Amino acid sequence: GENVEQHPSTLSVQEGDSAVIKCTYSDSASNYFPWYKQELGKRPQLIIDIRSNVGEKKDQRIAVTLNKTAKHFSLHITETQPEDSAVYFCAASKREEEYGNKLVFGAGTILRVKS
Amino acid sequence: NAGVTQTPKFQVLKTGQSMTLQCAQDMNHEYMSWYRQDPGMGLRLIHYSVGAGITDQGEVPNGYNVSRSTTEDFPLRLLSAAPSQTSVYFCASSYSRGAKAQYFGPGTRLLVL
Repeated sequence: GENVEQHPSTLSVQEGDSAVIKCTYSDSASNYFPWYKQELGKRPQLIIDIRSNVGEKKDQRIAVTLNKTAKHFSLHITETQPEDSAVYFCAASKREEEYGNKLVFGAGTILRVKS
Repeated sequence: NAGVTQTPKFQVLKTGQSMTLQCAQDMNHEYMSWYRQDPGMGLRLIHYSVGAGITDQGEVPNGYNVSRSTTEDFPLRLLSAAPSQTSVYFCASSYSRGAKAQYFGPGTRLLVL
């Protein structure tokens, strides 16, 4: 089955700096890669996603890149702010037959933005 | 829309007790799933459903049962609670066709003594 590894497990950056979180996946059939942000005591919330037919996607200060050959994808946050402090999870999914959307998650990265 | 809702928010059980965690969504999503979240282990899939009457096992199904009698509801049953089931449980839903974003409920924090 699919396995997703996420690095680093913790990341501390100074406010205004960039942060990069990397994930690798094992199943070459995976075709959907979402990123979730989880604040303390809250539910995971989708912040950005990318499909296998796209190499990069941006949304304001957040971007995700995908390298299908190497089977890894990364989250980039620019101009970090204290409110970016949270746990970030990557995930991978593949369409199974006509239905199914099973997500396999990485272990998470604790991002701390120091002001 | 209320989105995905879960009850209860917090529950304490004794070893051996059974209980049902409730999950409901009002977005007409075909796909619903249950995850458990433990420190340092991300979210692990327990069971999922691709529509009413159809369920299947995820990564960590032992000790849990599910059923899907309606599109809206997807309850998770703990048959005989064990301390190893102490965790935070999240329900999520999405459209089934294609790769679609999953939306999570607020979670249920379960403590088994």
